[in-house]
Amino acid sequence: EVQLVQSGAEVKKPGESLKISCKGSGYSFTSHWIGWVRQMPGKGLEWMGIIYPGDSDTRYSPSFEGQVTISADKSISTAYLQWSSLKASDTAMYYCAREGTGTTSYDYWGQGTLVTVSS
Amino acid sequence: QSALTQPASVSGSPGQSITISCTGTSSDVGSYNFVSWYQQHPGKVPKLMIYEVSKRPSGVSTRFSGSKSGNTASLAISGLQADDEAHYYCCSYAGSSRVFGGGTNLIVL
Repeated sequence: EVQLVQSGAEVKKPGESLKISCKGSGYSFTSHWIGWVRQMPGKGLEWMGIIYPGDSDTRYSPSFEGQVTISADKSISTAYLQWSSLKASDTAMYYCAREGTGTTSYDYWGQGTLVTVSS
Repeated sequence: QSALTQPASVSGSPGQSITISCTGTSSDVGSYNFVSWYQQHPGKVPKLMIYEVSKRPSGVSTRFSGSKSGNTASLAISGLQADDEAHYYCCSYAGSSRVFGGGTNLIVL
């Protein structure tokens, strides 16, 4: 069974750093792109970027380039999303999702990680 | 890279059919047959309903169908049911990136 399991909810202060994770299982982790999607409270889905764990090829949305870093450790089938200096506006639910082979559609999703940034 | 344009809300009565549009540009929807649609109930994880414009994943009702003309993709739902009430998002391949629509709130009257 394909599963993406994300790390738990985080409460951070502005200026702090954070790295959240997404562990894949039940499929070949290195053969599918993993995307990250932001959903701010009461708002829609926003595509942040993707990584191909097989070779760590990474693409970012222009809106998020330089704001976050996407990485992966294929040895433990885990993708990451990290911030070096959080802002209150980073408060959101973050989802990881697997792209189906050759489709660019997200067929499996993680359960989401709620990040709250507040002083 | 701007979000794809969707109507903020659409409504219909049980049993009726509705269509949700998703308008992009020649750089995304218009150039690729890689449009997907997602259903999201409040507080839940998005669910893939349509991929590659018109294909349905296993387990998705045949009441859901997708199409595309030019820069606009559409999701049609026939025989509306109460459980169809949710937010729906389109997503398109855009070269090296992807872009979501702003989302449509489907209200079943």
